[in-house]
Amino acid sequence: AQSVTQPDIHITVSEGASLELRCNYSYGATPYLFWYVQSPGQGLQLLLKYFSGDTLVQGIKGFEAEFKRSQSSFNLRKPSVHWSDAAEYFCAVGALPPGTYKYIFGTGTRLKVLA
Amino acid sequence: DGGITQSPKYLFRKEGQNVTLSCEQNLNHDAMYWYRQDPGQGLRLIYYSQIVNDFQKGDIAEGYSVSREKKESFPLTVTSAQKNPTAFYLCASRPGQQETQYFGPGTRLLVL
Repeated sequence: AQSVTQPDIHITVSEGASLELRCNYSYGATPYLFWYVQSPGQGLQLLLKYFSGDTLVQGIKGFEAEFKRSQSSFNLRKPSVHWSDAAEYFCAVGALPPGTYKYIFGTGTRLKVLA
Repeated sequence: DGGITQSPKYLFRKEGQNVTLSCEQNLNHDAMYWYRQDPGQGLRLIYYSQIVNDFQKGDIAEGYSVSREKKESFPLTVTSAQKNPTAFYLCASRPGQQETQYFGPGTRLLVL
């Protein structure tokens, strides 16, 4: 069965430190992959997406993610975290099954940033 | 200014009452989705619609109903059959033939 795992429920980093949020998926083919961010009480904002091609994708707000087929991973990274990055981050897998454009979401990682 | 609007921001339901959550988009997107978000569970798909006058059940459709009479609108009704309706509800839309979904600001439903 298709699934998305975000192993870290909570992550705390200091402002200016680097960040990596993990996402692993289970799917028989190369899926469409997304990272979204959600501030408290708000909707989800798309950070970046991977469909094909270059496995390192750049997104908004200085975020990037790398698709690693061999590890079934799509980890999100940022070199230097800002206090405004504190939010919840969701990884999602799309096109399941093909043609329905349905997503499966991970359970999210809540990021706390220390001043 | 294009976007997805959801109203109301907060909604209160009494026992045995049906309530309807509004979702409107002016992006000319073909597909629309409703998700339920509970703490620690991520987002779960309730219903989705890829074209007007057609919709499909998602993973947790029991106790919910939808309609898609217009391209811009996809209201969700939480019926009295939904025994645990307290949650944050998110609407999303997607352009035709594209994979990316775009989300509205959400409605928080609380039971009195």
